[in-house]
Amino acid sequence: DGGITQSPKYLFRKEGQNVTLSCEQNLNHDAMYWYRQDPGQGLRLIYYSQIVNDFQKGDIAEGYSVSREKKESFPLTVTSAQKNPTAFYLCASSKGGGRANEKLFFGSGTQLSVL
Amino acid sequence: SQQGEEDPQALSIQEGENATMNCSYKTSINNLQWYRQNSGRGLVHLILIRSNEREKHSGRLRVTLDTSKKSSSLLITASRAADTASYFCARRSGNTPLVFGKGTRLSVIA
Repeated sequence: DGGITQSPKYLFRKEGQNVTLSCEQNLNHDAMYWYRQDPGQGLRLIYYSQIVNDFQKGDIAEGYSVSREKKESFPLTVTSAQKNPTAFYLCASSKGGGRANEKLFFGSGTQLSVL
Repeated sequence: SQQGEEDPQALSIQEGENATMNCSYKTSINNLQWYRQNSGRGLVHLILIRSNEREKHSGRLRVTLDTSKKSSSLLITASRAADTASYFCARRSGNTPLVFGKGTRLSVIA
């Protein structure tokens, strides 16, 4: 089945610890995105990548880092600098290439909580 | 970037009734999209309407767009209990990533 796989589904972080959320897609999409969702809220963009080896900050990039070494993978690291990391994290992908009328495909999310 | 506003924040209806959700935004757009999210899951794309379109249908879904008022509405006809979910509008301007609203939580009571 083609799609986006996020892992783990649940993740716990201790104070001062960095944690990495995995996102893999086999849709052959160029663009990938990370969104954060707080309870009862909409999605806020953390980082996005339109092509391998390139990525841009979104609206709330502070305390997060990403890499895009492979087309299929876009891992997100939540660093110790992110003081309020508890949230639902969603990864998405799209065909990219500057297409304006394209839709996003989402993974099933990772719930991150602080111990 | 500024999120759009969805209205209402929550909506509870009986099965068989129609559900209408509204979305307003502030900047010019290329298109506006609606997504659905079941609790604890990822979002699923429902429908896209381009800035030069006024109305679009997909099954029991009807979307309208009024660019002069910078608003859109999503109508779900003959709702079912399985339609219970959160619904988000998202808009694209230029080549920037989609900007999502805060969503409407729809509860359909059997």
